[in-house]
This record gives sequence, C-alpha cells and structure tokens, in this order.
Amino acid sequence: QLQVQESGPGLVKPSETLSLTCTVSGGSISSSSYYWGWIRQPPGKGLEWIGSISYSGSTYYNSSLKSRITISVDTSKNQFSLKLSSVTAADTAVYYCARHSRDRLRGDAFDIWGQGTMVTVSS
Amino acid sequence: SSELTQDPAVSVALGQTVRITCQGDSLRSYYASWYQQKPGQAPVLVIYGYNNRPSGIPDRFSGSSSGNTASLTITGAQAEDEADYYCNSRDSSANHYVFGTGTKVTVL
Repeated sequence: QLQVQESGPGLVKPSETLSLTCTVSGGSISSSSYYWGWIRQPPGKGLEWIGSISYSGSTYYNSSLKSRITISVDTSKNQFSLKLSSVTAADTAVYYCARHSRDRLRGDAFDIWGQGTMVTVSS
Repeated sequence: SSELTQDPAVSVALGQTVRITCQGDSLRSYYASWYQQKPGQAPVLVIYGYNNRPSGIPDRFSGSSSGNTASLTITGAQAEDEADYYCNSRDSSANHYVFGTGTKVTVL
C-alpha cells in the first residue's frame, strides 16, 4: 500500500532555508486524482496547512507563508519537496507530508500521512 | 473568513455519545474532513465528504453538516477514542486549506 515518508535535517539555523523531501512508496506520485501536501504542527499546537502540489507541478500555498515557500515535485524519483526560507524559531514544528484528494463533489481528504519529522530552528 | 473554529475540549462517559463541532463560513460551500490525532502520532482521517469513512474506521464515527457548521459524532465512545480531533476544509478562495483549532476529547 502507498506510503509517504519525510526526510531532511532536524536542525536549521535562523535565517537559513529549511528543506524537506517526501518520498512516495508503494504507488506512483503521478496520479491526476491526488495532490501532495505539507502540513506542520508546532509543539503543543494545532495543525497548519503549508501548501500542496500536483504531479504536474500546480501549486497552492498558504497565504501567510507564500513569500517563503517553494514546493516542487520530481516524478522520476517519486518525491516532492518543501523549501521554507528565512526561518525563525516560530517555524519550529513537526512537519508532515500527506496525500490528499481534491474533489468538491465527494469531499477533499488528506488520507495518507507520513510519520512526521521534527525540525528545530536554533543557532 | 478562512477560519474553522472548534471547542477546545469536550468529555464523554465511556459508551456514551459525543458531538464535536466545527464552524466556518467556507463550510457552507465545502465539505469538512475530520482527523484523529493521538499523542506522538500523525493524524488519521476518520470522516470526509458526506459522511464517508475510510476503510478501517469504526462505524461509531459519523459526520454531518448544516449551514456553516460541520459535526463529528462518536456514538458509543471507547477509551481508544480519546484524542485530539481536527476538522479541515477549503477556505473561501477554493484553492487553500485550513485546519480547525482542534478539540481534545476525554473519555471518562
């Protein structure tokens, strides 16, 4: 069955760029039925959608983070990636990647999640 | 508005019924989906669309919606249902997503 798994540094210095990769296994990222998203959760707080990408490269970004975010997809590697620039301590969080549907008639759903990776912003 | 508001916490006696609500203007146009998150674990989808349950989710979980409010109901709550629950939907732009503020469910 399809799985997703985050990878990347657990510690990033302030003002630098956070880079994470999500690897899709057990299935293809090249499905027109799904999008691939990033969600984060600061310690002790709620979930925040960061942005999503289709296999063809169409992106949607959280307006509050848009100026600092780049999400890209590499279908040859079955991966998609997140870059968040100019990080501060407020970007310290568990970062999740997830698959989701976009279907207004049936309802959208983030149905497959990675286990999450903790990223700490600190010097 | 792009916000989804949930009650911070609710409690339910073992075997009883609890309803968790999610309010937001975008819910008049888009379905909500619901996620269960236990400590130290990734969220798990429990309800989406018009009361759809993914494979493996017990039928004691159900969803409904009216106006600007979506609801998740747990009928016959079990000890293992104790968790944080988040709703999610598109915002009014139709392209972005927003998660609710989250509800901590305690099973007494």
